[in-house]
Amino acid sequence: GENVEQHPSTLSVQEGDSAVIKCTYSDSASNYFPWYKQELGKRPQLIIDIRSNVGEKKDQRIAVTLNKTAKHFSLHITETQPEDSAVYFCAAISSNTGKLIFGQGTTLQVKP
Amino acid sequence: DTAVSQTPKYLVTQMGNDKSIKCEQNLGHDTMYWYKQDSKKFLKIMFSYNNKELIINETVPNRFSPKSPDKAHLNLHINSLELGDSAVYFCASSQSRSADTQYFGPGTRLTVL
Repeated sequence: GENVEQHPSTLSVQEGDSAVIKCTYSDSASNYFPWYKQELGKRPQLIIDIRSNVGEKKDQRIAVTLNKTAKHFSLHITETQPEDSAVYFCAAISSNTGKLIFGQGTTLQVKP
Repeated sequence: DTAVSQTPKYLVTQMGNDKSIKCEQNLGHDTMYWYKQDSKKFLKIMFSYNNKELIINETVPNRFSPKSPDKAHLNLHINSLELGDSAVYFCASSQSRSADTQYFGPGTRLTVL
């Protein structure tokens, strides 16, 4: 079945450093890859997404890359700030099933 | 002007009771979803409706019954609540059933005692 693996489960960085979170997916029919940020007690909120016809997308300090051949996609956050601290989820939607499958989440801590 | 709203925000109840959670979206979207987030933060799809029609039904106990009276509303009724049902339940909506951005509601924290 569909599966999304996310690593690392926890990530601690100093303010100003970069953070990278990696995901792999199993369903080759996946064609949409959103990333969500969830602060404690809040709802998941979309921060960036990428579609299968694009290899890279950037929005200010956040970038996402996609390698369809290897079924990998990654989130890159540069110049991290304490307010970036949260749980980040990668996800993939299969064009076959329409289901959004989430990774296990990465707890990012940015130390001031 | 909240896009996706849920009620109640918190729900504390005894084992064996029946409870409902309501969801509404004012985005004009066609597709709505229910997700369960367990204590380890794992988010899993439960159900999806497209224009009031059930399109995704994961392996969820049949004690859980979704209902969509119209495309702006999706409710979740849970019978005979069990301890393991304790979780945060999120409603979400998207423009269509295809690969569209899903917008989440604020969540309902269900605690079964």
